[in-house]
Amino acid sequence: GIQVEQSPPDLILQEGANSTLRCNFSDSVNNLQWFHQNPWGQLINLFYIPSGTKQNGRLSATTVATERYSLLYISSSQTTDSGVYFCAVEEDGQNFVFGPGTRLSVLP
Amino acid sequence: KAGVTQTPRYLIKTRGQQVTLSCSPISGHRSVSWYQQTPGQGLQFLFEYFSETQRNKGNFPGRFSGRQFSNSRSEMNVSTLELGDSALYLCASSWATLAGVLDEQYFGPGTRLTVT
Repeated sequence: GIQVEQSPPDLILQEGANSTLRCNFSDSVNNLQWFHQNPWGQLINLFYIPSGTKQNGRLSATTVATERYSLLYISSSQTTDSGVYFCAVEEDGQNFVFGPGTRLSVLP
Repeated sequence: KAGVTQTPRYLIKTRGQQVTLSCSPISGHRSVSWYQQTPGQGLQFLFEYFSETQRNKGNFPGRFSGRQFSNSRSEMNVSTLELGDSALYLCASSWATLAGVLDEQYFGPGTRLTVT
């Protein structure tokens, strides 16, 4: 099956800093989503981005499907951005396969 | 539009018991998927239902089963609970097509199951 890797596994930032999270996948995908999991376990949709670039406030994402990677950019980070960020890819219409996540800690 | 809801939110069971978890998808969504999240294994796919039919199943033992009703609500059942079944169980709904293409998934808040 498809393999999904995320880097870095852990990231500690000072409030106001910028960061880039990466997601690599081993095969072509139909769909790709980025999620933020808050401390209560809720997975919050950030982007649905099988290809191209999208922006939503301080967050933006780019997927280069031909090179099998996606990037999530967080600018001017805030303490509320802390949590785990997951990338998930759809495998042949079967189901979404999740990466291991990047744990982000934003310090005040 | 109301989001995906899951009940109960927390559950404590004893080894050997069985448990049923419920998920109500976003109105209009016909696909419901279930995932198990543990610290050691991460987020793993359990199964997906579309129009009351299980279309896909992950690599879990037969003790894990599910069903979907005509109103798209779904339940999953775990029989003969083991300590390793302690996890956060997440349900997701999406506007999937009959051909099997999954659109954007929206997750519920999860059910945290503890097996003692």
